[in-house]
Amino acid sequence: ETGVTQSPTHLIKTRGQQVTLRCSSQSGHNTVSWYQQALGQGPQFIFQYYREEENGRGNFPPRFSGLQFPNYSSELNVNALELDDSALYLCASSRSGASTDTQYFGPGTRLTVL
Amino acid sequence: AQKVTQAQTEISVVEKEDVTLDCVYETRDTTYYLFWYKQPPSGELVFLIRRNSFDEQNEISGRYSWNFQKSTSSFNFTITASQVVDSAVYFCALSGVPTSGSRLTFGEGTQLTVNP
Repeated sequence: ETGVTQSPTHLIKTRGQQVTLRCSSQSGHNTVSWYQQALGQGPQFIFQYYREEENGRGNFPPRFSGLQFPNYSSELNVNALELDDSALYLCASSRSGASTDTQYFGPGTRLTVL
Repeated sequence: AQKVTQAQTEISVVEKEDVTLDCVYETRDTTYYLFWYKQPPSGELVFLIRRNSFDEQNEISGRYSWNFQKSTSSFNFTITASQVVDSAVYFCALSGVPTSGSRLTFGEGTQLTVNP
């Protein structure tokens, strides 16, 4: 096990609602990255937080936002949910924001938007 | 732009067979890193290996081996004597400098089923 935890495990929301997903990074890691994985596809990079600052963003609209706390845990917030937001949301932590560092993933949160 | 292609969507083998999962990548980065992750039905991505672009030595870890060929932009993964527990989706991923930083670009994955 990686030591990366995510909550909740599953979530069901309706279109237009807002959702917050949480991630606790592995001990000693100060960087958290978020990925969206639609069914049958590879994960897509949403954004990364390094020492509480956004450190890169993928091709996702502004209604996807995030936060990192002083203990390096992180939140992913999605506003105005759409049906296409239904996916597995994966959080990964790494020792730093450098590309040399391996990202270790949590178990994911499965979001269903009805 | 970064791109990872895993042309094999699904592979089915019988236990004890050897199986190779293909990965081809495209990148403009001068230094880059290649990864393999395993995703069992539980959903968690499990890290298997990281390779940097300067190190073309093949690597073996137990029943797993990896063949990195820069000339063909490939980073293939072989499981020897496959077991039912190897059944999972396997992803190849790429990061690098200076363009992508530490963000991982994943392929679409290969679903491996090992039958008893």
